[in-house]
Parts: sequence; structure tokens; C-alpha cells
Amino acid sequence: GQQLNQSPQSMFIQEGEDVSMNCTSSSIFNTWLWYKQEPGEGPVLLIALYKAGELTSNGRLTAQFGITRKDSFLNISASIPSDVGIYFCAATSNDYKLSFGAGTTVTVRA
Amino acid sequence: NAGVTQTPKFRILKIGQSMTLQCTQDMNHNYMYWYRQDPGMGLKLIYYSVGAGITDKGEVPNGYNVSRSTTEDFPLRLELAAPSQTSVYFCASSSGTGVNQPQHFGDGTRLSIL
Repeated sequence: GQQLNQSPQSMFIQEGEDVSMNCTSSSIFNTWLWYKQEPGEGPVLLIALYKAGELTSNGRLTAQFGITRKDSFLNISASIPSDVGIYFCAATSNDYKLSFGAGTTVTVRA
Repeated sequence: NAGVTQTPKFRILKIGQSMTLQCTQDMNHNYMYWYRQDPGMGLKLIYYSVGAGITDKGEVPNGYNVSRSTTEDFPLRLELAAPSQTSVYFCASSSGTGVNQPQHFGDGTRLSIL
């Protein structure tokens, strides 16, 4: 599969902070997706991006499809405790086989 | 709606045993997928199916088999379980591959092979 490099690997948040994470690849993709996974559950789709340069919001979440089609970022504004979890980027070219990043683990700072 | 349902949720196997992980979806989706998730790694595609009677290998198919006799069901079979197959397995489905047709995931099967 094509490799997606997701960073950071983990982060600690304090309530109210803005959070950013990104994915990059050496390959071009036609679709970028962002999923969130909570303990004991499968990934749940947060945002889907289908066009280079597209900026899409879902509540406090904002994601962008990079203009080069090789990267994407996800921002979470004004974080709340329930934002903790593992966030995955995923991408695909002209087929249905998704490549996934290794995930960003978001934890509440004590 | 049940969505994508996986059974069992947990299982411990001995080396060499076989088992079938069940996956069923009630959304009439043509496309179904099996992934494995290892610690600190993204999901990797094992097998996928574009419709009943059609299956194909993904990125990591060795040691697994699948079948798709109906639209709803897509079981994954391990014939000779090995420790390297200890993982969390996720089944997913989608109605297609285009815009607004993303994959929906089940809650996973946590498999340990000892």
C-alpha cells in the first residue's frame, strides 16, 4: 500500500486549545478522509475531501485537501475532553483501496 | 440501523487452530473490506469484495481467506493461526467508491493467538 506519514504521533490537549495534525505522502490521491477511533470501537468518518484545495468543516473540525494532492491537515478548534481518541488520515486514488496513516493519539493533559 | 456487525468481539486461539470472523452489513452495500490494525500502525487491507461472488487480495492477504456468497456477509477465515496474526480486525462496507460513498466500519474483533 501507499504510505501516509501522519504527525504528530501523539499530543496532549488542554480544554480550549486548538489542535492540528497532518498527513503527507509521496503519492497523489483523489480522496482524503479523516477518521476518529475511540477505545473498543471502529473508526468513524469525520470529514471527507474530494477536491484538491478543498476546505471542509464539520462543527469544530476543519480539514483541507492539499493543493498538490499529496497532503491533508485536520484542525480541531476549542478542544473539549471528548475530543480524546485516535485520529487517522486515509487516502485513495482512483479505486476503493484506502491507505491509512499510523494515527495521532490525542490525550487530555492532566 | 445496525450498520456493520462483527462477531465475535474477542477471541483467544491456540497456534494452529482455525476460526472464522463474521461480518454482516444491513445497508445493501456492494463493497466490503477486511482490515487488520496492529499497535501504532494504520489499518492494512487484507481482502476486499466488490460484490457477491467476487473477492480480491489486499495488501496483506497471506494466511487468510474470504468468501462472499451474499451481499450482506463477508466472513474472514484463518486456517492455521499464527502469533503474527494477533491483531484487531475490522470489517467495513461502502455503497461505492465515489463522492459521498465512504467506508463504514464495524467495532472490530480482537484476536490473540497464543
